[in-house]
Amino acid sequence: QQQVKQSPQSLIVQKGGISIINCAYENTAFDYFPWYQQFPGKGPALLIAIRPDVSEKKEGRFTISFNKSAKQFSLHIMDSQPGDSATYFCAASYYGGSQGNLIFGKGTKLSVKP
Amino acid sequence: KAGVTQTPRYLIKTRGQQVTLSCSPISGHRSVSWYQQTPGQGLQFLFEYFSETQRNKGNFPGRFSGRQFSNSRSEMNVSTLELGDSALYLCASSYDSNQPQHFGDGTRLSIL
Repeated sequence: QQQVKQSPQSLIVQKGGISIINCAYENTAFDYFPWYQQFPGKGPALLIAIRPDVSEKKEGRFTISFNKSAKQFSLHIMDSQPGDSATYFCAASYYGGSQGNLIFGKGTKLSVKP
Repeated sequence: KAGVTQTPRYLIKTRGQQVTLSCSPISGHRSVSWYQQTPGQGLQFLFEYFSETQRNKGNFPGRFSGRQFSNSRSEMNVSTLELGDSALYLCASSYDSNQPQHFGDGTRLSIL
């Protein structure tokens, strides 16, 4: 049972454009939603995270939008750059309890064309 | 501050053998989690250790085990290796259970 569904599987965006990746979750007990960025040969790097008590969080060019009623959250990358080309993973866990059990989406491979 | 260090980076084993992977967390971090990453299944949680105690376990067979030492360093062991165990094994550490996890670059395990 896939508890976090991520789309699209792949995404091609022109330099300067907006990249949007969506995730949906099933378990309403989840209360921590991080996004990770992974380059080939490297481990996932924490990009930005949100808790359900806020609807949006912005860090630089990266923004998480969160819709608790729809059980959906998304990552927006503004002014996308070729250096942003990587695989992005959304995840969810029980932040209030043990956070050692991150449930990941299947990932989105982003290619930013110059 | 040094990041999460995993050794070795690459490992080749044959079916039936066993393997031990090592993880050194970020200094001061007490929680260590292990994940398996494959193209088909993605990132899947294996187990989490905190202060030398296993706190959570994912849905993997008993061939997969781990432990944590008093200095927070962790090892995971896979016995009776199968072809399907070929994967990138990732370790992540955090200061405590409610803190963000930071990943190492993983150990690439190939089973022949």
